[in-house]
Amino acid sequence: DQQVKQNSPSLSVQEGRISILNCDYTNSMFDYFLWYKKYPAEGPTFLISISSIKDKNEDGRFTVFLNKSAKHLSLHIVPSQPGDSAVYFCAAFDFSGTYKYIFGTGTRLKVLA
Amino acid sequence: DTGVSQDPRHKITKRGQNVTFRCDPISEHNRLYWYRQTLGQGPEFLTYFQNEAQLEKSRLLSDRFSAERPKGSFSTLEIQRTEQGDSAMYLCASSTGGAGANVLTFGAGSRLTVL
Repeated sequence: DQQVKQNSPSLSVQEGRISILNCDYTNSMFDYFLWYKKYPAEGPTFLISISSIKDKNEDGRFTVFLNKSAKHLSLHIVPSQPGDSAVYFCAAFDFSGTYKYIFGTGTRLKVLA
Repeated sequence: DTGVSQDPRHKITKRGQNVTFRCDPISEHNRLYWYRQTLGQGPEFLTYFQNEAQLEKSRLLSDRFSAERPKGSFSTLEIQRTEQGDSAMYLCASSTGGAGANVLTFGAGSRLTVL
């Protein structure tokens, strides 16, 4: 039962353009969401988060949008840079009492120079 | 503070052997998590500690797996009688305690290869 889904396994974008990575979730109890970036042979690195009381959070080139009614969030990167090429995971925090984070399967972003 | 440290970074072992991984979390973090990641998948939750108490274990964690966090500091994850299906990246992460959500900080991971 995949509670957090990233349906696009890969995405290619030209340098300078916008990258949009999508994530869907099924559990309405999730109320905190995070995006992580992962380079090969390294652990995931935190990028940006959003609480369910907000619909947008921005940090520099990175913006996360949350649509609670659709159970959908997206990460926008603009402008995209070659150094952004990595695997991106979205994660949802389970407040049902277990305090565990559920991760999606990831989207591999390639930014072309 | 050097972040979350994991040791060893890479372990190659033969099927049937026991292996142990160590994780040193960020010192002020009360919560410690173990995840497993295989190729093409996201991190899968294995277990979670609040201080020294192990509060949650995934069904993925068979009885060959055991984790400890003595004194609420470092943690160890032991796999007994390893199988080829145990080959994966084992990730440790920590976060601050208390109510509410917190950012997970991951270590670099320990890659296990079972021959």
